[in-house]
Amino acid sequence: KNQVEQSPQSLIILEGKNCTLQCNYTVSPFSNLRWYKQDTGRGPVSLTIMTFSENTKSNGRYTATLDADTKQSSLHITASQLSDSASYICVVSSGGYNKLIFGAGTRLAVHP
Amino acid sequence: GAGVSQTPSNKVTEKGKYVELRCDPISGHTALYWYRQSLGQGPEFLIYFQGTGAADDSGLPNDRFFAVRPEGSVSTLKIQRTERGDSAVYLCASSLASTGELFFGEGSRLTVL
Repeated sequence: KNQVEQSPQSLIILEGKNCTLQCNYTVSPFSNLRWYKQDTGRGPVSLTIMTFSENTKSNGRYTATLDADTKQSSLHITASQLSDSASYICVVSSGGYNKLIFGAGTRLAVHP
Repeated sequence: GAGVSQTPSNKVTEKGKYVELRCDPISGHTALYWYRQSLGQGPEFLIYFQGTGAADDSGLPNDRFFAVRPEGSVSTLKIQRTERGDSAVYLCASSLASTGELFFGEGSRLTVL
């Protein structure tokens, strides 16, 4: 069964600190892996998209890694800000179009 | 508009009623998707349109759910005989091509009493 699992389920950090979120997937076939940020009451917004051949991609203070052999990905957030408080969702695309399989997300709270 | 627009943003209905949720995708986006998100969960795929046709409706949970996109732009998700378990946020997304970046609307929150 195609699945995307994320850990931790929730995380609290202090402003300015770094954190790393984890994603493991069992999806076949694999097309690409994405990280989305979802603010409360809003739709998800894309942070990064990585294909099989890419093992790291950055978007500002966000850096995603992908190990296609172990089927693991991580999202590292550097120098966290209060506005980083949101759910971060790992998403794997399977097949020839955007048939996305979403993880349940990691809820991040950044405190002053 | 500049982004994906969904209406209504909130809908409260009674069990057994009929509901329509509307999605207006980004202009020019041929691919349109509907997802359902329950509280504390990631979105689940419902249906994918390429143009006017439903290319994949395998995520629709049962025959009470139906979606149309008659002119290849606006789409309507229709739910008949609503049940309390249908309560969720229904997200619409569009992309320029079938594998392009996905842009989500803010969702329609459906509550079935």
